Amino acid sequence: QLVLAQSPSASASLGASVKLTCSLSSGYKFYAIAWHQQQPEKGPRFLMKVNYDGSHNKGDGIPDRFSGSSSGAERYLTISSLQSEDEADYYCQTWGTGVHGVFGGGTKLTVL
Amino acid sequence: EVQLVESGGGLVQPGGSLRLSCAASGFIFSDYWMTWVRQAPGRGLEWVANMNPDGSEKYYVGSVEGRFTISRDNAKNSLYLQMNSLRAEDTAVYYCGRTKWFDSWGQGTLVTVSS
Repeated sequence: QLVLAQSPSASASLGASVKLTCSLSSGYKFYAIAWHQQQPEKGPRFLMKVNYDGSHNKGDGIPDRFSGSSSGAERYLTISSLQSEDEADYYCQTWGTGVHGVFGGGTKLTVL
Repeated sequence: EVQLVESGGGLVQPGGSLRLSCAASGFIFSDYWMTWVRQAPGRGLEWVANMNPDGSEKYYVGSVEGRFTISRDNAKNSLYLQMNSLRAEDTAVYYCGRTKWFDSWGQGTLVTVSS
């Protein structure tokens, strides 16, 4: 079964970097995923798609501070030079043959 | 600029019906898969349904199968979600999204199922 696992919470200091992880369940390590950001009281926003090889395609207007990478079944979102507006929920998401949409549980990022 | 604007949400009693709409602009609507996603209060995102560009393929999450129907009108650049036999657990903000990767999202419309 295709499942995406995310840590419920993360925190980092203003100006620092943070790396969020999305883990694909066994048998699905070649799947690409997308990262979405949801700031408080707002709708989600597409950040990027991250492929198995670590290549990534960012959405329009997404700052260079946001980057994606990959290792095995793990997909990462790294945010550098953290700003207060980066405090948000971050969701990973994917789809595949026979699985038309699945989201991770989300990571709530706190900027200290 | 890609824009997706949902409408049609509101308060409905259990067992009732609602039809959500998503008006698209800024891209060739008929070229894209379109998707509905929902978010219950205080909860995460849940994929609900999607449809291919010509409407010949439709997929649903198990909890709405048989109650919800996704459709589209490519001439009107619009996506719809007909929701019947609504339950309290369907209460959520409903978003439409472009493609299977949700590379664009609407602002959402709130559906509240309560007596």
